[in-house]
Amino acid sequence: GENVEQHPSTLSVQEGDSAVIKCTYSDSASNYFPWYKQELGKRPQLIIDIRSNVGEKKDQRIAVTLNKTAKHFSLHITETQPEDSAVYFCAAMGWRGSQGNLIFGKGTKLSVKP
Amino acid sequence: KAGVTQTPRYLIKTRGQQVTLSCSPISGHRSVSWYQQTPGQGLQFLFEYFSETQRNKGNFPGRFSGRQFSNSRSEMNVSTLELGDSALYLCASSLTGENGNTIYFGEGSWLTVV
Repeated sequence: GENVEQHPSTLSVQEGDSAVIKCTYSDSASNYFPWYKQELGKRPQLIIDIRSNVGEKKDQRIAVTLNKTAKHFSLHITETQPEDSAVYFCAAMGWRGSQGNLIFGKGTKLSVKP
Repeated sequence: KAGVTQTPRYLIKTRGQQVTLSCSPISGHRSVSWYQQTPGQGLQFLFEYFSETQRNKGNFPGRFSGRQFSNSRSEMNVSTLELGDSALYLCASSLTGENGNTIYFGEGSWLTVV
């Protein structure tokens, strides 16, 4: 089955710097890769996603890149702000039969210092 | 448009008891999936329902079960509770649950087993 590895587990940056979180996956059949942000005590919220027919997607300060050959995808946050501090999860849609379920990485705790 | 709604938000149960959690998906969404979140294991897939049928199941013991009603609302049940079942249980909905459908999470039900 699908396995998703996420690095680093913790990341501390200064406000205004960029942050990069990387994930690798194992199942070449996976073709949907969302990223979720979870603040303490709250639900995971989708911040950006990418499908396998696209190599890069950008939404304001957030971008995701996908390398299907190498089976890795990354989240890039530019001009970080203190409110970006949260735990970020990558996920891949794993397949069983014709339906899928999300397989999550272990999460990255991002701290943005003012 | 209302989001994914879960009840109850917080509950405390005793070992050996059983618990039922409820989830109302986003209007029009027919796929409902459940995830367990713990500090040690992260976010793990429990099961997914579509049109009242369980289509997909994660690696959890038979004490974990669920169902979906004709209005797409779903319930999950955990019988013979163990201390290790203490977790945040998240419900997620999507249009059809197919690969590439955006998945939205509810606020979760915090279960503490004492």
